[in-house]
Amino acid sequence: DQQVKQNSPSLSVQEGRISILNCDYTNSMFDYFLWYKKYPAEGPTFLISISSIKDKNEDGRFTVFLNKSAKHLSLHIVPSQPGDSAVYFCAAGPGGTSYGKLTFGQGTILTVHP
Amino acid sequence: ETGVTQSPTHLIKTRGQQVTLRCSSQSGHNTVSWYQQALGQGPQFIFQYYREEENGRGNFPPRFSGLQFPNYSSELNVNALELDDSALYLCASTFRDRGAGELFFGEGSRLTVL
Repeated sequence: DQQVKQNSPSLSVQEGRISILNCDYTNSMFDYFLWYKKYPAEGPTFLISISSIKDKNEDGRFTVFLNKSAKHLSLHIVPSQPGDSAVYFCAAGPGGTSYGKLTFGQGTILTVHP
Repeated sequence: ETGVTQSPTHLIKTRGQQVTLRCSSQSGHNTVSWYQQALGQGPQFIFQYYREEENGRGNFPPRFSGLQFPNYSSELNVNALELDDSALYLCASTFRDRGAGELFFGEGSRLTVL
């Protein structure tokens, strides 16, 4: 029972272009959503989050979009840079006292070519 | 500000043995969560500790247990190791009362069970 799914195992993008990573979820109780980036031999690093009351959140080159009716979120990276090459995980969690109890997707390997 | 640190970074055990993994949370954080990441998968929530008590548990058997100490550091104990327990074990901390649910991860402990 995968409540958070990233259907694209990998994505290849040219430097300077847009990277779009997608994520679908099934649990209506999820209250906030996050994106993490992971380099080999390192722990996941927080990128950006969005709560269920919003449909968009921006932070520099990173924008997360949330479509609650479709239970879909996406991460846009513009412009993409070679240093963005990593595994990207989307994660979702309930609110209230359940902070830190996140459900992760399987990850998407992003490769940005110079 | 000291980040999340985990020890050991790598270890090898045999089936049936017991293992203890350790985590020091980031300064100022009062909540610790443990995750298991199997190869090619996203992190999977094991349990969370808040104020030295277990505060939620994922779909893991009782042979996975933990502790949180007054200084907010934590241990993950796994008894009767099985081959499928081979994975990267991630510790993450947060300050629960801040909200947003952003977790700060350590680099993980890679456990191999032979």
